[in-house]
Amino acid sequence: KAGVTQTPRYLIKTRGQQVTLSCSPISGHRSVSWYQQTPGQGLQFLFEYFSETQRNKGNFPGRFSGRQFSNSRSEMNVSTLELGDSALYLCASSSYSRNTEAFFGQGTRLTVV
Amino acid sequence: TQLLEQSPQFLSIQEGENLTVYCNSSSVFSSLQWYRQEPGEGPVLLVTVVTGGEVKKLKRLTFQFGDARKDSSLHITAAQPGDTGLYLCAGGNRDDKIIFGKGTRLHILP
Repeated sequence: KAGVTQTPRYLIKTRGQQVTLSCSPISGHRSVSWYQQTPGQGLQFLFEYFSETQRNKGNFPGRFSGRQFSNSRSEMNVSTLELGDSALYLCASSSYSRNTEAFFGQGTRLTVV
Repeated sequence: TQLLEQSPQFLSIQEGENLTVYCNSSSVFSSLQWYRQEPGEGPVLLVTVVTGGEVKKLKRLTFQFGDARKDSSLHITAAQPGDTGLYLCAGGNRDDKIIFGKGTRLHILP
């Protein structure tokens, strides 16, 4: 069974640009969550999509947005990049189950210069 | 707001020693997961516990869920350099939201 695939693995962008990250979940998983990880703040929840609908949202500005397609693949977009957006962005997929186990991709390392 | 506090934040010990890290909350969770993350990679799921008082073993790792389902511990016996990493606990609630702790960064010295 293929795992969670995130593309690209690394990105360097300039302040003010926008970026789109992609995540393909495990086959059959309908929930996709996005997290931002930085050394100081740890893993911070961005949002979760389930069956193409945003089900939960963290405390991030509107510059951070996402969507999910009918095949459960998800994209995350960050507009007007700031230096503080430099982080490891992780995608996790889950089956709709009581245990809420999350299976993570390898992440996209975004550097804003 | 549900929070998971992990302690210690950092731990550096010699190979062969035993250690325990903790994950505590004032809230009840329907399930709790432990993950290990290596630098530049995503967290990897180690175990899920769902029943109060449950104990699960994964080779030299022993995971325990508190009776009240508010806390958990991870005990490593005879630590090895390959155990080095960031250990994260995460709790699931009835709304299927996942709450992560900030992690314990473990370094095993050879």
